[in-house]
Amino acid sequence: EVQLVESGGGLVKPGGSLRLSCAASGFTFSSYSMNWVRQAPGKGLEWVSSISSSGKYIYYTDSVKGRFTISRDNAKNSLYLQVNSLKAEDTAVYYCARDPSIAAAGTSWLDSWGQGTLVTVSS
Amino acid sequence: SYVLTQPPSVSVAPGKTARITCGGNKIGSKSVHWYQQKPGQAPVLAVYEDSDRPSGIPERFSGSSSGNTATLTISRVEAGDEADYYCQVWDSSSDYVFGTGTKVTVL
Repeated sequence: EVQLVESGGGLVKPGGSLRLSCAASGFTFSSYSMNWVRQAPGKGLEWVSSISSSGKYIYYTDSVKGRFTISRDNAKNSLYLQVNSLKAEDTAVYYCARDPSIAAAGTSWLDSWGQGTLVTVSS
Repeated sequence: SYVLTQPPSVSVAPGKTARITCGGNKIGSKSVHWYQQKPGQAPVLAVYEDSDRPSGIPERFSGSSSGNTATLTISRVEAGDEADYYCQVWDSSSDYVFGTGTKVTVL
């Protein structure tokens, strides 16, 4: 059974930092692209960042470029998101999610999600 | 950037059919994926690549796409189908794009 378990969220002041983690199990982690998706309270889903299976290719949504850093450790079956210079608008539940698609598919989707970790940015 | 528009809410009686639309420019030329999110829970993939269902998703859930509109259809709606539903496409310039979300209420 695929399991994704996020941790590392919490209450942080504007300008602060956190490191979010996602522990994966039940599948060959090193074979999949992984993503972070967030959801502000009462709002919809917003893709944040993705990293290819090897870690070679990394992408971010514009609003977090230069502030967030995605990384992975395939030996530890773990995904990370370093979030710096946090703003009030970064307040959200952050989900890690697996992308099962292959490049030849010409599309991507997310077939497994963790339960999320809440990041609250407030003074 | 690519935009996906969904109706904020859809209401349906038990046993009837719910249709949730997702509008986007030439969305019929893209693969559309759908997620179900129940209150306080993580999203769950309901339909991928327009009309395929992951294991564990009932056959009552089906998808279609053409022109500028994709549709998720839930047949024989049950109380347990009450949730928020999001469409999603992958766009080369915007990566994963989610729709605005539709709250399905079972009357």
